[in-house]
Amino acid sequence: AQKITQTQPGMFVQEKEAVTLDCTYDTSDPSYGLFWYKQPSSGEMIFLIYQGSYDQQNATEGRYSLNFQKARKSANLVISASQLGDSAMYFCAMREGYGGGSYIPTFGRGTSLIVHP
Amino acid sequence: DTGVSQDPRHKITKRGQNVTFRCDPISEHNRLYWYRQTLGQGPEFLTYFQNEAQLEKSRLLSDRFSAERPKGSFSTLEIQRTEQGDSAMYLCASGLDRVEEQYFGPGTRLTVT
Repeated sequence: AQKITQTQPGMFVQEKEAVTLDCTYDTSDPSYGLFWYKQPSSGEMIFLIYQGSYDQQNATEGRYSLNFQKARKSANLVISASQLGDSAMYFCAMREGYGGGSYIPTFGRGTSLIVHP
Repeated sequence: DTGVSQDPRHKITKRGQNVTFRCDPISEHNRLYWYRQTLGQGPEFLTYFQNEAQLEKSRLLSDRFSAERPKGSFSTLEIQRTEQGDSAMYLCASGLDRVEEQYFGPGTRLTVT
């Protein structure tokens, strides 16, 4: 079974509007971490945001927020006020087990986001 | 530039040849990871070092793959007897203990002809 599922291969959004990228995960471990990374066409993966399974509040980092719904096992990324530079591939990832281990995440297949002017 | 660097950025080789890639992590980072990414997929974990010790290896890492991190600084990933299926982007990332975030390099794109 896929540990991380990103069902949207491609998304389009108008500049300055908000967009939500979907991510669902599968784990039986009570301790896990969820990540979003951005990969522009240059290829370098850029860390955006992290949410721990025990965190009570949804994580936010500037224009990025993670909508964490534990019961539904979803960790959607919300980008507010989209900018042209947000056009990229976005990957959801999960690290299972206590974070004091090897911190090895499993990545989803990604969602391509295109921001239109 | 104090980020993660990888060399070379692109490598074209003929099937059966050996190739070696280098990764220089952020200097104070003790954790180093190698991933492989093929078209349309997310990165897949290959191997992980904590300082100079190789602590985990994926089942994806066949006997033709070997990685080292002498002295706990830079790392090399060698692929022997390359096959066309080895064509991919090879990503290196580094991180700190007790910190979830990983910092990725620009990757080495390998094409096996």
